Amino acid sequence: SQQGEEDPQALSIQEGENATMNCSYKTSINNLQWYRQNSGRGLVHLILIRSNEREKHSGRLRVTLDTSKKSSSLLITASRAADTASYFCATDPRNTPLVFGKGTRLSVIA
Amino acid sequence: NAGVMQNPRHLVRRRGQEARLRCSPMKGHSHVYWYRQLPEEGLKFMVYLQKENIIDESGMPKERFSAEFPKEGPSILRIQQVVRGDSAAYFCASSLTSGGAHEQYFGPGTRLTVT
Repeated sequence: SQQGEEDPQALSIQEGENATMNCSYKTSINNLQWYRQNSGRGLVHLILIRSNEREKHSGRLRVTLDTSKKSSSLLITASRAADTASYFCATDPRNTPLVFGKGTRLSVIA
Repeated sequence: NAGVMQNPRHLVRRRGQEARLRCSPMKGHSHVYWYRQLPEEGLKFMVYLQKENIIDESGMPKERFSAEFPKEGPSILRIQQVVRGDSAAYFCASSLTSGGAHEQYFGPGTRLTVT
């Protein structure tokens, strides 16, 4: 079964609104990463949050991590049409190979 | 500094043929990972290699699939006697060191279609 599960599966919002995606996982982790994938392209690394961190910011991105609930959230503020993509969380339960969820498909409508 | 390169970008094979996918990691990276992605799915880990060594192949099917990362040249993912179920996007990633604490840089992927 998937280590990381993103929620919702799909999200459609208006440009300028905020988008929140959640990720839950099952076993203990060293860190959690978020990636973006545009249609038909490879993955782009967005942000890494370590297990001893609770919140991290990068530009319009804010990631939180709650290890007690085994969950993380990715917030994109002031969304743009260019943010339209699939977003994946990835964990490293066995330290090296990343385990990806099925992703959240975000559509930002101009 | 070029990113992770993969070729070909698209590959069409008939059932029973062999598919060879190539991956050149980022300069200075000696750790390579292969993932497979089915439509509407996340990436599934297949194999992790360092130069000349397979470190973890727990995600790779035991039959027909093999991977190598020679001392010189790109990493190769080889699929023998392809079947329709092998149709997917195959992504390669590289990292500077091992461990999930270091981000992996992904290539653009090879889309394999088996007819």
